[in-house]
Amino acid sequence: QVTLKESGPVLVKPTETLTLTCTVPEFSLSNARMGVSWIRQPPGKALEWLAHIFSNDEKSYSTSLNSRLTISKDTSTGQVVLTMTNMDPVDTATYYCARIPPTYGECYFDYWGQGTLVTVSS
Amino acid sequence: SYELTQPPSVSVSPGQTARITCSGDALPKQYAYWYQQKPGQAPVLVMYKDNERPSGIPERFSGSSSGTKVTLTISGVQAEDEADYYCQSSDSSATYVVFGGGTKLTVL
Repeated sequence: QVTLKESGPVLVKPTETLTLTCTVPEFSLSNARMGVSWIRQPPGKALEWLAHIFSNDEKSYSTSLNSRLTISKDTSTGQVVLTMTNMDPVDTATYYCARIPPTYGECYFDYWGQGTLVTVSS
Repeated sequence: SYELTQPPSVSVSPGQTARITCSGDALPKQYAYWYQQKPGQAPVLVMYKDNERPSGIPERFSGSSSGTKVTLTISGVQAEDEADYYCQSSDSSATYVVFGGGTKLTVL
């Protein structure tokens, strides 16, 4: 069983920068074509893809949030970090990290973390 | 930006067949994937590459594709299937991921 665990603040103030960490102890981020993605879900709303990073350090970002997002990985610690700048109350959501299995030419999510609720409020 | 369109809701009685559709211009070129999400839980992959079922997903779940539309079919719906269902795919360059707006399946 593959587990992913999100961690980070539960409350951030408007204009602050959010930093979230996804820990992936059961698979190696150095495995060929392995990837991790961040996805969020505002309360009562749909899933929204944010970004992903692959083992070769290839990255992709949501076009609507590209200017605010940075994704990185530390293979030695098995962690993927997402930063989102200039947080706003509309960014209140449950943030999930999910694994992209090692399949070439495809991008989907076979294992998900439990999610972490981040509230943006002063 | 690329979009996937799903009906907001589908209702069926237990034992009937539920069909949830997802439409998108890039679907003839890109695979679709389906996730089931129950209240308070993380999504679970129930279909990949249009019609492949992950291990552990009941056989009553099936998928199909035709042109710009994909369909998740649940045969013999059970009460436990009541959930939100999301389709997911990529844009034509396979660079960006997109989710549909979700369909709430109600088992009457």
